[in-house]
Amino acid sequence: DAGVIQSPRHEVTEMGQEVTLRCKPISGHNSLFWYRQTMMRGLELLIYFNNNVPIDDSGMPEDRFSAKMPNASFSTLKIQPSEPRDSAVYFCASSLGRTDDNYGYTFGSGTRLTVV
Amino acid sequence: AQSVTQLDSQVPVFEEAPVELRCNYSSSVSVYLFWYVQYPNQGLQLLLKYLSGSTLVKGINGFEAEFNKSQTSFHLRKPSVHISDTAEYFCAVTAGNRDDKIIFGKGTRLHILP
Repeated sequence: DAGVIQSPRHEVTEMGQEVTLRCKPISGHNSLFWYRQTMMRGLELLIYFNNNVPIDDSGMPEDRFSAKMPNASFSTLKIQPSEPRDSAVYFCASSLGRTDDNYGYTFGSGTRLTVV
Repeated sequence: AQSVTQLDSQVPVFEEAPVELRCNYSSSVSVYLFWYVQYPNQGLQLLLKYLSGSTLVKGINGFEAEFNKSQTSFHLRKPSVHISDTAEYFCAVTAGNRDDKIIFGKGTRLHILP
């Protein structure tokens, strides 16, 4: 398996532009998580899906952020409009359910977003 | 609600010396516990986990951790560190009885001194 695949690896955009981050989870994993990592705030859970359904989006900072999972093999995180304070590394992770012996997140390599 | 505390934000240690990274958690329900490692400019990688069974868990790269329910701790240890162990280490705990969500600590940066 190729693991969790995120694209792009790096994104530089101007303030006010729309940004879309993409994630392909590991095949067979039924949970998907979006995290944001900054020096100041550490690792923050933004939203997570179970069987393509959003379960907890309490970490989404504001209405400018939205996430979708149209099918089991693809998810997007969109920021519109983007602001400089959104600059961070965004990670996607996927997992089997906690009843499985292989339970535990597998992380992608992340997308480094810079908003100028 | 579950929470994770990593008391040390940074730990310096000489190469080939032993190291212990501390992790305490709070939970009113039974938990699963994890340690993840993040090398510079990379994503997080699972180091080891405790789901059930033996309280001493062995992971990759010679690391091990011991689940201590009475002390609500899950400290990570390695008997002899190498320069390649330089990384940030995150302790994590499941969020609840049925939730697939995992709560991460703030991380401990391990500095290996030559």
